[in-house]
Amino acid sequence: DVKVTQSSRYLVKRTGEKVFLECVQDMDHENMFWYRQDPGLGLRLIYFSYDVKMKEKGDIPEGYSVSREKKERFSLILESASTNQTSMYLCASSSPTRAFFGQGTRLTVV
Amino acid sequence: EDQVTQSPEALRLQEGESSSLNCSYTVSGLRGLFWYRQDPGKGPEFLFTLYSAGEEKEKERLKATLTKKESFLHITAPKPEDSATYLCAVQDHQGGSEKLVFGKGTKLTVNP
Repeated sequence: DVKVTQSSRYLVKRTGEKVFLECVQDMDHENMFWYRQDPGLGLRLIYFSYDVKMKEKGDIPEGYSVSREKKERFSLILESASTNQTSMYLCASSSPTRAFFGQGTRLTVV
Repeated sequence: EDQVTQSPEALRLQEGESSSLNCSYTVSGLRGLFWYRQDPGKGPEFLFTLYSAGEEKEKERLKATLTKKESFLHITAPKPEDSATYLCAVQDHQGGSEKLVFGKGTKLTVNP
């Protein structure tokens, strides 16, 4: 069965901390995505990557960066966490025919 | 800019009462339209991909259809376990990018 695995289901971090969210896929997909999901706002694209070391900004990249050193792993980095980054974070990987999601990370910044 | 609009935002049905969810989209060049189901606190679960106008896909009580401007997710004789948020997304192949753009979803509640 195909899998996208996010490193944590729940995280609580303090304001100003550097936060790493990890995502691993086992499907050899070229494309990987990071979204955040907030009530009433739907899924908003933060960054995506179409190849190793390649990345593109999505709709809301401010305050975030990403790293893709290996094809199977795509990391989202919050350089200095703020309370407005409290959200559900979803990672996905895709082929031309479908996209699969991880289980999500509920991040709370206090 | 790619846009996806889903309607209604929320829908309440009685068990067995069939209905449809709408997804209208604007893209430069449609590579694919995706439907997902999402349960509270979980990641979206893939349902269908549609590629061209006139295409239809079915899975149990769900049927997805596609025109040049919109897609419908038809739910026939729904059951309470069909309650979830249904998400629509489009993938645009303009410029070689395969960005996935999502609508805000339709929250479906099926009462027994």
